[in-house]
Amino acid sequence: AQSVAQPEDQVNVAEGNPLTVKCTYSVSGNPYLFWYVQYPNRGLQFLLKYITGDNLVKGSYGFEAEFNKSQTSFHLKKPSALVSDSALYFCAVRDGKAAGNKLTFGGGTRVLVKP
Amino acid sequence: GAGVSQSPSNKVTEKGKDVELRCDPISGHTALYWYRQSLGQGLEFLIYFQGNSAPDKSGLPSDRFSAERTGGSVSTLTIQRTQQEDSAVYLCASSPRGERGTGANVLTFGAGSRLTVL
Repeated sequence: AQSVAQPEDQVNVAEGNPLTVKCTYSVSGNPYLFWYVQYPNRGLQFLLKYITGDNLVKGSYGFEAEFNKSQTSFHLKKPSALVSDSALYFCAVRDGKAAGNKLTFGGGTRVLVKP
Repeated sequence: GAGVSQSPSNKVTEKGKDVELRCDPISGHTALYWYRQSLGQGLEFLIYFQGNSAPDKSGLPSDRFSAERTGGSVSTLTIQRTQQEDSAVYLCASSPRGERGTGANVLTFGAGSRLTVL
């Protein structure tokens, strides 16, 4: 079975400060990991993914995520947050050992960036 | 089309009525997914179609829920005898088949269908 956890319901950060959104996962094979963002009144958008290769993955809007196999984590980071980064962020995982392309999403973390 | 299109965008219905939600995926995308999002919460997987393979229905919450995908394109999610707990935003997504590491699993989501059961 595959699962993903986002331990924080909400993250508050001041504009210009670093932003981190946490994600841990559980799979039986190799993980395929994703981050999606949902801006207010808009659909979910793909941010970045890790399939294989470098542990540090760079994505859209200046976001990056680091894959850590020993800690089974895939935390999302941004060095300097903007007010416009305020949104709902979802981590997702697919078990590379499982058949099919079913993605399991975490519960989401609401990010509030204050000016 | 250019994106994933869902209809209706909003649906208000009375408890006990049946509803149909429609999803028109991106042309050429072989995979189609339905998820449910309640009140800004996480995404709950419902069902997944991949090409001509049997769908993965493991997320459907009860036998009141069913979905079909005709001609490998448009999909309809049907909820029979709706209950208040069915109120949620129903999201459809599609993705290309792709080999591992390329297009696989990059889902493009529609704007969703907001269902309110009174």
